[in-house]
Amino acid sequence: NAGVTQTPKFRVLKTGQSMTLLCAQDMNHEYMYWYRQDPGMGLRLIHYSVGEGTTAKGEVPDGYNVSRLKKQNFLLGLESAAPSQTSVYFCASSPGQTSQPQHFGDGTRLSIL
Amino acid sequence: GQNIDQPTEMTATEGAIVQINCTYQTSGFNGLFWYQQHAGEAPTFLSYNVLDGLEEKGRFSSFLSRSKGYSYLLLKELQMKDSASYLCAVRDGDYKLSFGAGTTVTVRA
Repeated sequence: NAGVTQTPKFRVLKTGQSMTLLCAQDMNHEYMYWYRQDPGMGLRLIHYSVGEGTTAKGEVPDGYNVSRLKKQNFLLGLESAAPSQTSVYFCASSPGQTSQPQHFGDGTRLSIL
Repeated sequence: GQNIDQPTEMTATEGAIVQINCTYQTSGFNGLFWYQQHAGEAPTFLSYNVLDGLEEKGRFSSFLSRSKGYSYLLLKELQMKDSASYLCAVRDGDYKLSFGAGTTVTVRA
């Protein structure tokens, strides 16, 4: 029962570098989400997807891009990392029904120097 | 925008009861979720309310009043393992959740 798997778990980048965070789910969920979590601010939605080939902006999308080429995978890209993007990133997935909860991955701890 | 408020911290003694309040002002309402998050770990689902009233799940209960924009999570017979952050989240449409900043509960022996 893998559920939602995020890679990598930790990463340190220099300002201006790029990287991609991978999220994979094996529950055949339609919806997938990327959040960032910062102290005192709770989880904030970056981008989300309601199905393969679709993406939409969340609350804090600037500086990030996403792609959902396959139903089970949701990629989050940082084109030019900035220190303000230092955070813990969580991926989540859920079925289509509104009563169903989101299931979260273990998170990626990203530091931008 | 969304406004979801919960206390920052609460402390209680092992075996006691703690009530975590959550108030919300959102553009729509399609259900309220409570999650538990231990330090350094992923949030895990605890409860869901969409109709007014109390939902009970073992030691945990959650209450909702839609007219007041209010919910609470009740933790009974506290155990040390209940020390965690508790997140209140509101679904205002079909897809997205808006989260409160979380309440850190510390259980003391």
